[in-house]
Amino acid sequence: SYELTQPPSVSVSPGQTARITCSGDALPKQYAYWYQQKPGQAPVLVIYKDSERPSGIPERFSGSSSGTTVTLTISGVQAEDEADYYCQSADSSGTFVVFGGGTKLTVL
Amino acid sequence: QVQLQESGPGLVKPSETLSLTCAVSGYSISSGYYWGWIRQPPGKGLEWIGSIYHSGSTYYNPSLKSRVTISVDTSKNQFSLKLSSVTAADTAVYYCARDGGIRGYNYWGQGTLVTVSS
Repeated sequence: SYELTQPPSVSVSPGQTARITCSGDALPKQYAYWYQQKPGQAPVLVIYKDSERPSGIPERFSGSSSGTTVTLTISGVQAEDEADYYCQSADSSGTFVVFGGGTKLTVL
Repeated sequence: QVQLQESGPGLVKPSETLSLTCAVSGYSISSGYYWGWIRQPPGKGLEWIGSIYHSGSTYYNPSLKSRVTISVDTSKNQFSLKLSSVTAADTAVYYCARDGGIRGYNYWGQGTLVTVSS
């Protein structure tokens, strides 16, 4: 079955830049999406179509794609950005939705 | 504003069928989009269960396909999940969400915890 691979954890100091990667063989063909999830809350979409930002999401959140890896970048990290982040995409046929295992972002 | 709300039993016995409903407000399911179910076991990551279109067309996670049925009731503007032969491994928070296509899952319910236990 198709998998998306994320690092389990990333740590940064406030004001620094956090980069969270997601790797998958079908990513050159399928869009990637990123979700932020804080404890006890439903996920929130922060990036769609690899690099687009939904309305209401701060500009410090950005996304990029290169080959089989997509990256979520959070510039000028704030304490409120501490959360779990999940990438999501589809298999090569575009039929089945897949989530990455999630990355816990810790703001030191 | 689109809103989704899950409902159903919070406790299900092993080997029985888990049944949940997602009520949608602020948008008519008949107008389009896929509508999906996603779950999250305690302390673990997100798992896609499946999606349904207003016409009834469905897609299921291959790992769950033999046990999953998703249906839609456009007259009530809601869609439902049935998961049969549940075990403790099916204990999770179950979310319903709107699949906005290239816009991603842009609307989510608050989630409901379902525990499988005798």
